[in-house]
Amino acid sequence: SQTIHQWPATLVQPVGSPLSLECTVEGTSNPNLYWYRQAAGRGLQLLFYSVGIGQISSEVPQNLSASRPQDRQFILSSKKLLLSDSGFYLCAWMRGQIVQETQYFGPGTRLLVL
Amino acid sequence: AQSVAQPEDQVNVAEGNPLTVKCTYSVSGNPYLFWYVQYPNRGLQFLLKYITGDNLVKGSYGFEAEFNKSQTSFHLKKPSALVSDSALYFCAVRDNSGGYQKVTFGTGTKLQVIP
Repeated sequence: SQTIHQWPATLVQPVGSPLSLECTVEGTSNPNLYWYRQAAGRGLQLLFYSVGIGQISSEVPQNLSASRPQDRQFILSSKKLLLSDSGFYLCAWMRGQIVQETQYFGPGTRLLVL
Repeated sequence: AQSVAQPEDQVNVAEGNPLTVKCTYSVSGNPYLFWYVQYPNRGLQFLLKYITGDNLVKGSYGFEAEFNKSQTSFHLKKPSALVSDSALYFCAVRDNSGGYQKVTFGTGTKLQVIP
């Protein structure tokens, strides 16, 4: 069966510091991968998605970037965090070539920027 | 462009009563519709989806949803609410017009089941 991992679970960082959040998927190959941010426990904002290694689509221009160095690894980064980057970050995966497929979510990372 | 609307920020229902969480959508092609649930500080859990066929879809934990094409709605329902159903519920849509890699989520509805 497939499993999605995110780490760390919680992170407290000062403004201006760098960020690296990691997401990995087990038990599948060539998944579509997604990064979402959830602010104030409500709506999901799609940040990035990837349909393959090195292929990243950005939905919202901002202080963050994403990379996909391996098939089942998706990394969210920032060079300098802002207060507004605080939130709950969710990674998700979906089977890439099947349009009816379901998106499955990881446990999330709670980021607090002080 | 595709979009989803969840018109209610919060729904309160007494335990044992039926519940409905509303969702309407807009897509250019045929819709693929999903419901997810989120418990505090957790990721989203998949409940059910509509792809094609029977308009009434049954999912996890006794939930079901009814697809209504003329009203472009996909409301989530349960005949008898439990206190443990209290959580945040998200409706999502994807269409088959070529942009199927993207899923659009609603803003979420908080369900509060009162004992």
